[in-house]
Amino acid sequence: GAGVSQTPSNKVTEKGKYVELRCDPISGHTALYWYRQSLGQGPEFLIYFQGTGAADDSGLPNDRFFAVRPEGSVSTLKIQRTERGDSAVYLCASSLETGRPYEQYFGPGTRLTVT
Amino acid sequence: QKEVEQNSGPLSVPEGAIASLNCTYSDRGSQSFFWYRQYSGKSPELIMFIYSNGDKEDGRFTAQLNKASQYVSLLIRDSQPSDSATYLCAHQDTNKLIFGTGTLLAVQP
Repeated sequence: GAGVSQTPSNKVTEKGKYVELRCDPISGHTALYWYRQSLGQGPEFLIYFQGTGAADDSGLPNDRFFAVRPEGSVSTLKIQRTERGDSAVYLCASSLETGRPYEQYFGPGTRLTVT
Repeated sequence: QKEVEQNSGPLSVPEGAIASLNCTYSDRGSQSFFWYRQYSGKSPELIMFIYSNGDKEDGRFTAQLNKASQYVSLLIRDSQPSDSATYLCAHQDTNKLIFGTGTLLAVQP
């Protein structure tokens, strides 16, 4: 079956602009995670959803970052007033159940470049 | 303070040798540990997880966990050039994974 998909695969934006990154999880997966991976680093947790609600948003760096999952499937990560330091690969993952992150399946990522 | 520490490498081994990748962690309460492989430009792929002290084997891969020493390792036997990638160590913190920076492995043909 289809894996996790993310769009766009690449996004270049100017400093100060607003961006939206989309994640489409594996069908039936109730848990959805967003991570950010900077060059030479491991993925860094941002937020996780169980169903429609954000169960843990402790990794969001500041209030410029926001994510939604209105129907419990597709999620959108929104970044306002982008800064050059936001440049990274944004990874989405999904799993069938919560509490079992080892079943997380990662999408291909969106590479965000802020100029 | 980083919760998971890995040597960034590169670790270079000849084809057919054993590659040994190491990871230390600071949270004594950590229970579950994971090894992910990440090829350049690709997303992480889970290859092993371990919960109990001791060794866990899966094909050419062996994960080792020592909770007293807060140490987890991954051994790759009969290394192949296709094993060349970055190997990420992670532990579970409630519902999220905490990753190390990864070790770059280069298997020389």
